[in-house]
Amino acid sequence: AQTVTQSQPEMSVQEAETVTLSCTYDTSESDYYLFWYKQPPSRQMILVIRQEAYKQQNATENRFSVNFQKAAKSFSLKISDSQLGDAAMYFCAYRSAMDSNYQLIWGAGTKLIIKP
Amino acid sequence: DTGVSQDPRHKITKRGQNVTFRCDPISEHNRLYWYRQTLGQGPEFLTYFQNEAQLEKSRLLSDRFSAERPKGSFSTLEIQRTEQGDSAMYLCASSLAVATSVPDTQYFGPGTRLTVL
Repeated sequence: AQTVTQSQPEMSVQEAETVTLSCTYDTSESDYYLFWYKQPPSRQMILVIRQEAYKQQNATENRFSVNFQKAAKSFSLKISDSQLGDAAMYFCAYRSAMDSNYQLIWGAGTKLIIKP
Repeated sequence: DTGVSQDPRHKITKRGQNVTFRCDPISEHNRLYWYRQTLGQGPEFLTYFQNEAQLEKSRLLSDRFSAERPKGSFSTLEIQRTEQGDSAMYLCASSLAVATSVPDTQYFGPGTRLTVL
């Protein structure tokens, strides 16, 4: 069974600085997808960025980028120029690429605090 | 379209009572998912629909839990004889399957917070 581990329960960063959130996963599959979701306090889960395992190039979305290391089964999220609105729980999630297996498997989350 | 909606947002019930939650997905999304999230944890998958067919159920979904999506649009999740351990946030998500080679993005609703006294 696949597992996702986020080893940092909480991270803090100064506004405008850069922060990296860690995520590791365990799987025997070769094709899968990885996601970072953001859950602000009392608000709904929002997709931040996704990565297809077959792609070697790291995904980027504006200030958000990932460092995908397939051999190491590592998928970290880098947030550049941190803003107050980035404060939230961040969840790493895994999804198999196999047909008929669409559930997301989640890490426990990292609480990101932005210091003004 | 304003996104995935869930009703109610909060539900407080006494142990042993039945509760039902509703999820309205984004229009034309053919996949619908239910997750459960307890405090300080990531969501856990409960069940998944492709149109009106329930294709996958987690072992977490005991016999007291039942989900339906009768016309392939909205879905309901019912918990019978609630227990204190059922207290959690119940999240609904929907997605549009385009092609098997393209991962569909799951869009989440605000959740229903259940408290069982």
